[in-house]
Amino acid sequence: KAGVTQTPRYLIKTRGQQVTLSCSPISGHRSVSWYQQTPGQGLQFLFEYFSETQRNKGNFPGRFSGRQFSNSRSEMNVSTLELGDSALYLCASRGDTNNSPLHFGNGTRLTVT
Amino acid sequence: GIQVEQSPPDLILQEGANSTLRCNFSDSVNNLQWFHQNPWGQLINLFYIPSGTKQNGRLSATTVATERYSLLYISSSQTTDSGVYFCAVAPYSGGGADGLTFGKGTHLIIQP
Repeated sequence: KAGVTQTPRYLIKTRGQQVTLSCSPISGHRSVSWYQQTPGQGLQFLFEYFSETQRNKGNFPGRFSGRQFSNSRSEMNVSTLELGDSALYLCASRGDTNNSPLHFGNGTRLTVT
Repeated sequence: GIQVEQSPPDLILQEGANSTLRCNFSDSVNNLQWFHQNPWGQLINLFYIPSGTKQNGRLSATTVATERYSLLYISSSQTTDSGVYFCAVAPYSGGGADGLTFGKGTHLIIQP
């Protein structure tokens, strides 16, 4: 079974631009969540989608948004990029039951200059 | 929100040594997972363990939910065990729909 796939692996953007990151979950997983990892703040929850609906959202500004498609693939978008948005963005998927473990992709490393 | 504290923050051991990593959390949880992040940044799920004890090879974990802590044991360490170990929890009050709150991790270095 293929794991969680994230594209692209690396991105360099300029302040003020916007960016879209993509995530394909493990086949059969309908839950996809996104996390931001920075040296200062560690790993922080962004949002979770299940069957195309946002189920939960972390404490991030509205510039961070996401969506999920009918095939469970997910995208997250960051608009009006700031230097502080430089981070490793990790996507994870899990099975439907609450006791399903999270499986992470390799992440997208975003650098904002 | 729920607080997660991991200790020690850093640990340097010789190959073959055993270690115990601790995770304390501030509220009742219905979800607790341990992860290993390797030097290339990949996060690997080690255990889903909101309560009880589990073992997988040289690794085992115990969560005492009533006392709000979890322990990860690594026996006969190998250099490939190096990396950062994270504990992540979701509070019981969230009904399972909350995202995970991560601790700051334990940075483990295994020297040959």
